[in-house]
Amino acid sequence: GESVGLHLPTLSVQEGDNSIINCAYSNSASDYFIWYKQESGKGPQFIIDIRSNMDKRQGQRVTVLLNKTVKHLSLQIAATQPGDSAVYFCAETLSGYALNFGKGTSLLVTP
Amino acid sequence: DAEITQSPRHKITETGRQVTLACHQTWNHNNMFWYRQDLGHGLRLIHYSYGVQDTNKGEVSDGYSVSRSNTEDLPLTLESAASSQTSVYFCASSDPNQPQHFGDGTRLSIL
Repeated sequence: GESVGLHLPTLSVQEGDNSIINCAYSNSASDYFIWYKQESGKGPQFIIDIRSNMDKRQGQRVTVLLNKTVKHLSLQIAATQPGDSAVYFCAETLSGYALNFGKGTSLLVTP
Repeated sequence: DAEITQSPRHKITETGRQVTLACHQTWNHNNMFWYRQDLGHGLRLIHYSYGVQDTNKGEVSDGYSVSRSNTEDLPLTLESAASSQTSVYFCASSDPNQPQHFGDGTRLSIL
């Protein structure tokens, strides 16, 4: 079946820098996209979501961009902090039910 | 506060045994999901339910079953545990078209 993928398995950034995590999806019918953060030993935690009728959505220090033309999703984290170190997953869904997850990107924030 | 809890957090069992993992949510969500997480595969959907008495197979449902007798619970049963089912299992719940809330997982080892 169609799947969600990530461009980079690991990303290392310095504290205070901005981080960008990318995700490619292949199901053009997907209409809802979610970013999750997962820390060691815990379940995925919701960060931000975006629907297909939008191309940008901002939260606290995070921004999600959706480019439906090239089926690309990105998560931008401003002023990255050590507490942002985790694995980040993008997920897509059609009509808001079962999610299809990407394999994850590990973000490491160095002082 | 509403929450989703999984039990046990850790379990070790032998091949061939029947194992049941519990998932309980107090969000009053109709939708509930079970995923497994393995290195290199991300989160893969096992079974899901859109309401009481409703169950559906996901991407990797072979060897697993679920039942939904009430809104709060979706237990996952491994009929005859196999070593390939060693994994971390996550339960999630949501309202339609809303982000899924995840439990903190059950780490299952099958020897």
